Order: sequence, then C-alpha cells, then structure tokens
Amino acid sequence: AQSVTQLGSHVSVSEGALVLLRCNYSSSVPPYLFWYVQYPNQGLQLLLKYTSAATLVKGINGFEAEFKKSETSFHLTKPSAHMSDAAEYFCAVSPNTGANSKLTFGKGITLSVRP
Amino acid sequence: GAGVSQSPSNKVTEKGKDVELRCDPISGHTALYWYRQSLGQGLEFLIYFQGNSAPDKSGLPSDRFSAERTGGSVSTLTIQRTQQEDSAVYLCASSLALGAYGYTFGSGTRLTVV
Repeated sequence: AQSVTQLGSHVSVSEGALVLLRCNYSSSVPPYLFWYVQYPNQGLQLLLKYTSAATLVKGINGFEAEFKKSETSFHLTKPSAHMSDAAEYFCAVSPNTGANSKLTFGKGITLSVRP
Repeated sequence: GAGVSQSPSNKVTEKGKDVELRCDPISGHTALYWYRQSLGQGLEFLIYFQGNSAPDKSGLPSDRFSAERTGGSVSTLTIQRTQQEDSAVYLCASSLALGAYGYTFGSGTRLTVV
C-alpha cells in the first residue's frame, strides 16, 4: 500500500519568495513520485516526476523536487514565486511496477502568491 | 486527439436521474483512469482500465457507479439514481502502460445534483 501526506491545505508566499511545498510518502515498494498542478477550472498538469533516476528532478515553470529516501520526502521548491504560480498542487505516488500504475494522490495544497 | 477530452464539461441533473460522463483518451494510451474530486477531499480513485485486462473497480463508491471502455478507447462513467453527494468534478486521465509516464488529465466534468 502507498500513500502521500501533504501537510496543511494552504501556503501563502510573497512574489519573489521561495516556494516550498512538502510531501511525504509511504510505500511498501520503491515508488515513483509525481507533482501535479491544477489551475482554476482546469484538469491536472504534470509538473515533474521521479522515476528512480536522478534524485533531484527539474520540472516545468522553474519547479524542482528532491527525492530523499531517508526522509521519505519529495518536497517541491521554486526559488522565486510568480503570481502565475497561484494554483493547487498535488503530490502523488505509484509503485514502480508496470502491473499496477494507479496513482495515489495527496489532498493537495493551495498556493497563494501575494504581490 | 492531442489531449484527453471529456464531455460534457458541466452537467446539472435532478436527484434520482442517471448520468453518463464521457472520456476520450489520447490515442495509443492503453491505460485509462477515472477520479473524483470533491471540495477539500483531493482526488479519489474510482476505476482503472489497462488494455484488455479486467478493470480495477476497487474505488467505485457504490453499485450505482459503473464504467466501461469500448474498443480500448472511449470510456463512459455512468452514475445511476444520482444523489446530492455525487456532486463533484469527475476527472479522466490516460497514460502509456507503465506508471512511470504519469497521467495526462482531461479538464473534467463538473456534476451538480440538485
């Protein structure tokens, strides 16, 4: 069984400030990990993914995440927030086997960016 | 098509009526998923189709919910005798066979039961 925990439901940062969105996972087998972003009234868009290669993963829009096995974490960061980053962010996990690629999502975190 | 297409984008129905939601996945994607997104609840897995294998229905909340996928492509999610608690955004996604590719999501169907 696998799960992800996203602590808190809302993060607010100033424009230009560091963005840090936390995700911790629980998985009985080595996982694949994903971050998705959802803008208002849209579906989810893949930001980045960890698939057992490099532990530091770079994604779109300047976001990156680091897989830390010892901490069972996959936190999402961006050095400088833009107003356009305001959205809901979801962390997700799946087992790294082809037999069942079902993703399990966290509850999501809403990011607000203040001018 | 270029992306995952869902229809309708919005649906308002009366309590007790049946509804059908449609998903047209990316051509060549063998896996198709349905999720439900309710306010403050994140994404709830409903059902998963992978090629010709039997679907994983473990997330369907009741026997009022069913889904089929015809010809390995288009999928229809049917909710019978809708209830107010069925109001949510229903998201469809597709992917290549292996989980490492992640999903491509459609824009969803917003269902409101009145």
